[in-house]
This record gives sequence, C-alpha cells and structure tokens, in this order.
Amino acid sequence: NAGVTQTPKFQVLKTGQSMTLQCAQDMNHNSMYWYRQDPGMGLRLIYYSASEGTTDKGEVPNGYNVSRLNKREFSLRLESAAPSQTSVYFCASSEAPGGADGYTFGSGTRLTVV
Amino acid sequence: AQRVTQPEKLLSVFKGAPVELKCNYSYSGSPELFWYVQYSRQRLQLLLRHISRESIKGFTADLNKGETSFHLKKPFAQEEDSAMYYCALFRANAGNNRKLIWGLGTSLAVNP
Repeated sequence: NAGVTQTPKFQVLKTGQSMTLQCAQDMNHNSMYWYRQDPGMGLRLIYYSASEGTTDKGEVPNGYNVSRLNKREFSLRLESAAPSQTSVYFCASSEAPGGADGYTFGSGTRLTVV
Repeated sequence: AQRVTQPEKLLSVFKGAPVELKCNYSYSGSPELFWYVQYSRQRLQLLLRHISRESIKGFTADLNKGETSFHLKKPFAQEEDSAMYYCALFRANAGNNRKLIWGLGTSLAVNP
C-alpha cells in the first residue's frame, strides 16, 4: 500500500523556470493538500482540495497553481520559480474534509531555486 | 483567533529522562488536537489524536480544556525519539473552512 506518492524527490530549478510537482494517493481519500515546510516557519498550507473538482487557496498561494486531476491526483505547479520558493513541499491526503481523521503525508520534494 | 503555540523550538533531554513537549491552543469551539512526528528527512506521521486517547510509542497526551493545553509526554525518552514534533488543531466548527492549524514544531534531541 503506497499511501501518498510524490514525485520528484529532489529538483533544482533556475529562476523563472516552471515545473509541476506530482502527488497521487491510493487510499480513496476525498481531500488533498499541498504544504511547504521552511525552517522556523513550520508547515504552511499552499492549496487544498476538499473533494474532487474543488480547489481552494491556503495561507501562501501566491506563485502557485494546482489541479485536482481526479480523485487520486493533485498537482502543484510553479509557473515562474523564484528563490523564495526554495523549500520542502509535502502533499497530504485525508478521508474527512480538513483532516479531522488525520493526514497521510507524502515523503516530500526538496526544491531548490537558484 | 485560532492558534497553536509550541513554546519550545528545541528540547534536549538525556536518554531515560522524562520528556514533555508543550502545546497550547486558542480556539473558541470544541477542539480536536493531534500530534505529528517527523523523523530526520522523513515524511510527517500522525502520532496520536486526543479523541482516540491511545498511547503510541510510549507517548501520551491529555487534553486540558481549562489550561487549553495538549502536552505530549513520555516517562522515559529513547534516542530514537529524536525528531520534530508538531501539534495541530482541527477547526471542526469552521463550515467549509475546516482544516488543521499547525504549531511551529519542537525539535526533540535525546542524548545518550
């Protein structure tokens, strides 16, 4: 049982380049989330999808877009990467909206923008 | 405003000593609280939730509504407990805006 799978695990981008982070879950969860984790700032919610077909902004959505492709997949796109987007990105999913039953996290993507 | 505060960024204890990681919350509704753990360079994992009242890896946490706290405790720390610990609050009374509010985390170092 894979749980939540994120790709890639590592990425280096040049400023201005674009890329998409992929996330897929095989637990038939309704809700999915994208977080970034930065030292001293904890976890900050970028975007979330309460259910298939819906997406909403979190705390720090600027510079990002998302697509809930189907119930399994929730991708995060950086259209024009900036050094401030250097971070570790985590995808998560939950069966209950908002995570009342707890989140299952992916293993993360370490992104460096130079 | 809803908030989760973990007052210690870093907590260092010796192996075998008791450990308590503090978590205080601010929420006007009925809180649902969680502890998550992240071992070095790994994914976050749910450690425990107050509603299930269970003990995982020797850790327990009791919700104290009077003190608005949900401190994580273990009587005898082990080196493998060294990790980052996050406290989180679920806003159950927020309609379509239900989601977790996170503390900034406490890094626990258990020294031999």
